[in-house]
Amino acid sequence: KAGVTQTPRYLIKTRGQQVTLSCSPISGHRSVSWYQQTPGQGLQFLFEYFSETQRNKGNFPGRFSGRQFSNSRSEMNVSTLELGDSALYLCASSFGAGRSVSPLHFGNGTRLTVT
Amino acid sequence: DQQVKQNSPSLSVQEGRISILNCDYTNSMFDYFLWYKKYPAEGPTFLISISSIKDKNEDGRFTVFLNKSAKHLSLHIVPSQPGDSAVYFCAASEASARQLTFGSGTQLTVLP
Repeated sequence: KAGVTQTPRYLIKTRGQQVTLSCSPISGHRSVSWYQQTPGQGLQFLFEYFSETQRNKGNFPGRFSGRQFSNSRSEMNVSTLELGDSALYLCASSFGAGRSVSPLHFGNGTRLTVT
Repeated sequence: DQQVKQNSPSLSVQEGRISILNCDYTNSMFDYFLWYKKYPAEGPTFLISISSIKDKNEDGRFTVFLNKSAKHLSLHIVPSQPGDSAVYFCAASEASARQLTFGSGTQLTVLP
């Protein structure tokens, strides 16, 4: 069974630009979550989608947005990039139904560098 | 405010011995706890979880203990192997939330 796939693996952008990251969940998983990992803040929750609906959102500015498609694939977008957005962005999937949180299965992440 | 704390940034253990990683939490609403392992350039890998109705859960070499009164959980790895060298994160969630709150991680080094 294929794992969670994130593309691209690495991105370099300049301040003010926008970026779109992509995530394909494990087959059969309907919930997709996004996390940001930085050395200073650790792993922080961005948002979670289930059946194309955002069910939960973390404490990030509106420049961070996401969506989920009918095939459960998800994208996240960051607009007007700032230097502080440089981080590893991790996508995770789970079945998402029933128990509110089942173990999340993470992809290998997209390393975003903002210059 | 850190709701999940891993106070030891690093831990070194001899191969074959027991590794004990600790985690404390402050949010009494947390009812589900997980441990993840992370190698460089990879995403976190789920190891083991425990619900608040239990105080122990075992899976092979990995055992997680939960002490609800102390708001403390620990991960025991016996016996430790060099391949266990990685960063270990504990995470927690509330029943009503659909997100994980992570600790800052502990770098485990198992020495051959």
